[in-house]
Amino acid sequence: AQKVTQAQTEISVVEKEDVTLDCVYETRDTTYYLFWYKQPPSGELVFLIRRNSFDEQNEISGRYSWNFQKSTSSFNFTITASQVVDSAVYFCALSTGNQFYFGTGTSLTVIP
Amino acid sequence: KAGVTQTPRYLIKTRGQQVTLSCSPISGHRSVSWYQQTPGQGLQFLFEYFSETQRNKGNFPGRFSGRQFSNSRSEMNVSTLELGDSALYLCASSWGGGYEKLFFGSGTQLSVL
Repeated sequence: AQKVTQAQTEISVVEKEDVTLDCVYETRDTTYYLFWYKQPPSGELVFLIRRNSFDEQNEISGRYSWNFQKSTSSFNFTITASQVVDSAVYFCALSTGNQFYFGTGTSLTVIP
Repeated sequence: KAGVTQTPRYLIKTRGQQVTLSCSPISGHRSVSWYQQTPGQGLQFLFEYFSETQRNKGNFPGRFSGRQFSNSRSEMNVSTLELGDSALYLCASSWGGGYEKLFFGSGTQLSVL
């Protein structure tokens, strides 16, 4: 069975603080992809990153970075120097080719 | 390039009624999938259509159905509405589905009274 767990339901940080959003996944498939999406109040999910199961290189994009570790089945997302515009719900997702499995999301509030 | 368009944006129905939601994917995308989003449950996969054929289906009752037209536009139908069907219904498209990233619409907020 496939499953994505985002244990953090809500996080609040003060602007300019760093914040890490946790994601743990379960799958028996050897080939899979992991994703992060951002959902602002408007409702539309915005794609942030996709990683495949064979590439464990960490990735940095501006203030965003991702840490993929197969040994712990985790794909964590860090925002450095958070800004108010980062306030949103963030979803981690797993695709095994047939469908996407989403976590329940982490609501991030950045306080000015 | 236009994004994924979902109509209507809001719907209010009463128990027992049926409802049809519409989704126009990004031009050229042939895969359309539907998700139900409720507070605390995240996004639950309903079904995926590719070239007018349902390719994958989630664990929802038969009251939930869909179809895709030759221009890749898709509709989702829910019959005999229940209070628990109140949710944000999101449509997503991609070129071929599978491991590709999904492009989402803004969703249809359905309220069942």
